[in-house]
Amino acid sequence: NAGVTQTPKFQVLKTGQSMTLQCAQDMNHEYMSWYRQDPGMGLRLIHYSVGAGITDQGEVPNGYNVSRSTTEDFPLRLLSAAPSQTSVYFCASSYVAGNTEAFFGQGTRLTVV
Amino acid sequence: TQLLEQSPQFLSIQEGENLTVYCNSSSVFSSLQWYRQEPGEGPVLLVTVVTGGEVKKLKRLTFQFGDARKDSSLHITAAQPGDTGLYLCAGLLLNAGNMLTFGGGTRLMVKP
Repeated sequence: NAGVTQTPKFQVLKTGQSMTLQCAQDMNHEYMSWYRQDPGMGLRLIHYSVGAGITDQGEVPNGYNVSRSTTEDFPLRLLSAAPSQTSVYFCASSYVAGNTEAFFGQGTRLTVV
Repeated sequence: TQLLEQSPQFLSIQEGENLTVYCNSSSVFSSLQWYRQEPGEGPVLLVTVVTGGEVKKLKRLTFQFGDARKDSSLHITAAQPGDTGLYLCAGLLLNAGNMLTFGGGTRLMVKP
């Protein structure tokens, strides 16, 4: 029972580089989301999806793109990395948002230099 | 400014003490959840409350949802070192789609 799998666990990027953070879940959850966690800031919602083909912006979407071509996968793309995007990124999935348990991946620690 | 304000941000107490953590907002939520996060891990759900005034108990933890569904509290009785961690509240805004937003967290340390 894998749950939510994020890759990579650690990444160092140079300013201006692009990359994709991968997220996959095997629980057939409709709702998936990406958060970033900075010290003292809790979790801030970047983008979310209520099902395949449907995505929407969260609280801090600038500089990030997402797509949801399948129920299982929800990749997060950094278009042109900036030092302000240094953070820990978490992917989460649940049957629906809010009333059911959100399962989180183990996080990706990203450093942009 | 975050939609959900948690207080205190940090709490360091001795084993056996009681504590309360607060999660406040000026907005109404259709549901509110509490998560606990350990270092290097993702948050794990403790409880979900959906009805105004609802009280739920999980062993030594008591969760309450405010009558107006704008706030919540987490009370821990006789804290133990194993309770150490980051406690996060998360809410689904009423009539505002499917954005599950988190508070800034309360970092609890329980010393033996």
